[in-house]
Amino acid sequence: GENVEQHPSTLSVQEGDSAVIKCTYSDSASNYFPWYKQELGKRPQLIIDIRSNVGEKKDQRIAVTLNKTAKHFSLHITETQPEDSAVYFCAASMGQAGTALIFGKGTTLSVSS
Amino acid sequence: EAGVAQSPRYKIIEKRQSVAFWCNPISGHATLYWYQQILGQGPKLLIQFQNNGVVDDSQLPKDRFSAERLKGVDSTLKIQPAKLEDSAVYLCASSFGDRGEREQFFGPGTRLTVL
Repeated sequence: GENVEQHPSTLSVQEGDSAVIKCTYSDSASNYFPWYKQELGKRPQLIIDIRSNVGEKKDQRIAVTLNKTAKHFSLHITETQPEDSAVYFCAASMGQAGTALIFGKGTTLSVSS
Repeated sequence: EAGVAQSPRYKIIEKRQSVAFWCNPISGHATLYWYQQILGQGPKLLIQFQNNGVVDDSQLPKDRFSAERLKGVDSTLKIQPAKLEDSAVYLCASSFGDRGEREQFFGPGTRLTVL
């Protein structure tokens, strides 16, 4: 079945450094790729998303790149801050209607000051 | 706007008991999803509704899980009988359901512990 692989599972950086999280997906029909941030005990919240007709998207310190040929996409966070510490999930659209999401297993990002 | 509401927030039951969760999506959102999030993993889709019809329930363990969305608004998810491996957070999410508006908004979840 379809799956999304996410790496690394944990990432520790110093404040001000950049962080990169990478995901690969298996379903060539996937056309929507969101990234969610989940703080401990809280609900997942969308931080950025990209559609298959776009190669890169940026929003302040966060950027996402997509390579449809290779079926992988990445999240880039620049100038990290302690409040960026959380679990980050990548996801890809899937399912019979093409609107449900399949999630990666998550990356725990720790930013130390 | 009000977010996705879920209740209860926490539930502890013994195995073989039954349990039900409730979700109220964001007003106007046609699509509603139930996800299961086991500790340390990403959410896994259980069922997707479009209005009051089921779009995808291929990953729902139908021998013990059931869900309904009467009148195309609120939804309930039931487990009967529960097993130890059902311990997880059950997340409800909603979206407009239009491919032009793809963002899914998640509720706070119900944390289920099966003893």
